[in-house]
Amino acid sequence: AQSVTQLGSHVSVSEGALVLLRCNYSSSVPPYLFWYVQYPNQGLQLLLKYTSAATLVKGINGFEAEFKKSETSFHLTKPSAHMSDAAEYFCAVHTGNQFYFGTGTSLTVIP
Amino acid sequence: DGGITQSPKYLFRKEGQNVTLSCEQNLNHDAMYWYRQDPGQGLRLIYYSQIVNDFQKGDIAEGYSVSREKKESFPLTVTSAQKNPTAFYLCASSMETYSNQPQHFGDGTRLSIL
Repeated sequence: AQSVTQLGSHVSVSEGALVLLRCNYSSSVPPYLFWYVQYPNQGLQLLLKYTSAATLVKGINGFEAEFKKSETSFHLTKPSAHMSDAAEYFCAVHTGNQFYFGTGTSLTVIP
Repeated sequence: DGGITQSPKYLFRKEGQNVTLSCEQNLNHDAMYWYRQDPGQGLRLIYYSQIVNDFQKGDIAEGYSVSREKKESFPLTVTSAQKNPTAFYLCASSMETYSNQPQHFGDGTRLSIL
């Protein structure tokens, strides 16, 4: 069975500080990996995706993620947090015909 | 603009009542999905459909039913058998199930019990 683990259900950072949201997955085959962002009472929006073309993936709003096969990780980073980054972030794995989501990390940005 | 439209945005259900959540997409996607979102639990798959007139149960299908009579539509019915229906429901679609294409999401329907 596939699984996605997001370490830390709540992360707080100061405005301008580094954002690091962790995601580890279990998969018996190379997966497709995604990060989504969700604002209150809205659906999920795609931030970025990994599809084996490059291990460092750049997404929207200054976010990027690095695929590390040896660590089965796909952590999301942003060099400098902005107030508008406050939201819920979900890591997802796509293998076979299903998507598997982590339980989410709520990001708070402190002014 | 292409996208997924979910309606209504808020829905209230009385005891013993069935309610239907609408999901329409104009992205020409083959696959469609329904998820339930509860605080701290992420997204849980209710049903998915890879093609018209075919659908499969997800992890929490009990108390729910779906249909896929048209490619662009995938309505979800929350039946009276679902004893704890209060949640945020998300519909999604993707180009095809066995691909590297991401899912696109609607803005959700929040269902509450009266």
